[in-house]
Amino acid sequence: EVQLVESGGGLVQPGGSLRLSCAASGFTFTSYAMSWVRQAPGKGLEWVSTITSSGGSAYYADSLRGRFTISRDNSKNTLYLQMHSLRAEDTAVYYCAKPSPGAASYYKAWGQGTLVTVSS
Amino acid sequence: DIQMTQSPSTLSASVGDRVTITCRASQSISNWLAWYQQKPGKAPKLLIYMASSLESGVPSRFSGSGSGTEFTLTITGLQPDDFATYYCQQYNDYSWTFGQGTKVEIK
Repeated sequence: EVQLVESGGGLVQPGGSLRLSCAASGFTFTSYAMSWVRQAPGKGLEWVSTITSSGGSAYYADSLRGRFTISRDNSKNTLYLQMHSLRAEDTAVYYCAKPSPGAASYYKAWGQGTLVTVSS
Repeated sequence: DIQMTQSPSTLSASVGDRVTITCRASQSISNWLAWYQQKPGKAPKLLIYMASSLESGVPSRFSGSGSGTEFTLTITGLQPDDFATYYCQQYNDYSWTFGQGTKVEIK
């Protein structure tokens, strides 16, 4: 059974940094791209970033490029999202998601999410 | 970036109704479209992928159609468990975008 367990969320002040983690199990982690998707309170889903299976390439939403960095440790089956210069509008539940194989075009598995709150 | 526009934003319906949700892409995405169901406090659940393929375990009352720029999700015979928010999502050239969501409410 695929399991994705996010951690690292919490309260952070504007301008601060935070690193989220996603521990993956139940599938061959090294064979899949991985993504982060977020959802602000009461709002819709927003794709944040995707990293290829090897970690060699990463893609970001235009609005986030430069502040967020996605990475992975294939030896630990863990995905990360490093977030800098956080703003109030980054407040959201952050989901780790496993895309489909190949083109990674849709998401079959999701974690439970971790809440990030940016506030003074 | 490709924009996805869902309509309606909210839909009131009764158990047993046939419900249709539309998603339009700002440019052609072939059939790179998925549909998800989300309930409050829960992660999204994949319903349909590649515009019309039903995800394993999803009831057959859910169906998807379309290609290019216009897509629909149809629920034939709405059940109490189907009252939720539905999102479309596109993939194109290493960019992924969700629609703004359609909330299906009890009439």
